[in-house]
Amino acid sequence: NAGVTQTPKFQVLKTGQSMTLQCAQDMNHNSMYWYRQDPGMGLRLIYYSASEGTTDKGEVPNGYNVSRLNKREFSLRLESAAPSQTSVYFCASSEARAAVQPQHFGDGTRLSIL
Amino acid sequence: DAKTTQPNSMESNEEEPVHLPCNHSTISGTDYIHWYRQLPSQGPEYVIHGLTSNVNNRMASLAIAEDRKSSTLILHRATLRDAAVYYCILRAGTSYGKLTFGQGTILTVHP
Repeated sequence: NAGVTQTPKFQVLKTGQSMTLQCAQDMNHNSMYWYRQDPGMGLRLIYYSASEGTTDKGEVPNGYNVSRLNKREFSLRLESAAPSQTSVYFCASSEARAAVQPQHFGDGTRLSIL
Repeated sequence: DAKTTQPNSMESNEEEPVHLPCNHSTISGTDYIHWYRQLPSQGPEYVIHGLTSNVNNRMASLAIAEDRKSSTLILHRATLRDAAVYYCILRAGTSYGKLTFGQGTILTVHP
């Protein structure tokens, strides 16, 4: 089972460059999420998509945009990368957004911005 | 979401039981108690969740205090693969699905 697949696994960017992080899930889940994790800290929600065709801001959305391309795919775009966006990015999915539904995570994209 | 408090770190020996505590004194009646763990260089992994009653699954058991102000994640026989950061998270029944991760407990398992 692939579960949640994130690409790329590693990326180095220069300040001001743009990039799209890709996420795909094969579990037929309705809800998808993007988190970031900074060193020594817990995960923080950037954006989420409760269902296909909808997206909403999380705790730290500034500097990011998202696209729910279809039920399987949810991408995160950095339009003009800044060093403060150096982080590990995790995509997750769940069957629905209800509090009882567990979230399934990918292995992350490690992004460095110089 | 209500706040949780966990010890920064715990240690265990392989094949021994591990009890990971979590305090959540401000929990509300509709908050679910979730546990996730994160192995090195991996994304978080769902472990277990509960509302009021104790819960068991293939990975662990969750013991919830009668007043719900605390809970304990129980790993019955720790293995080296269980070394991870364990997060205790409260999710409001009305929440849109956000998981609020705190610092978690770093579990070290000795061979």
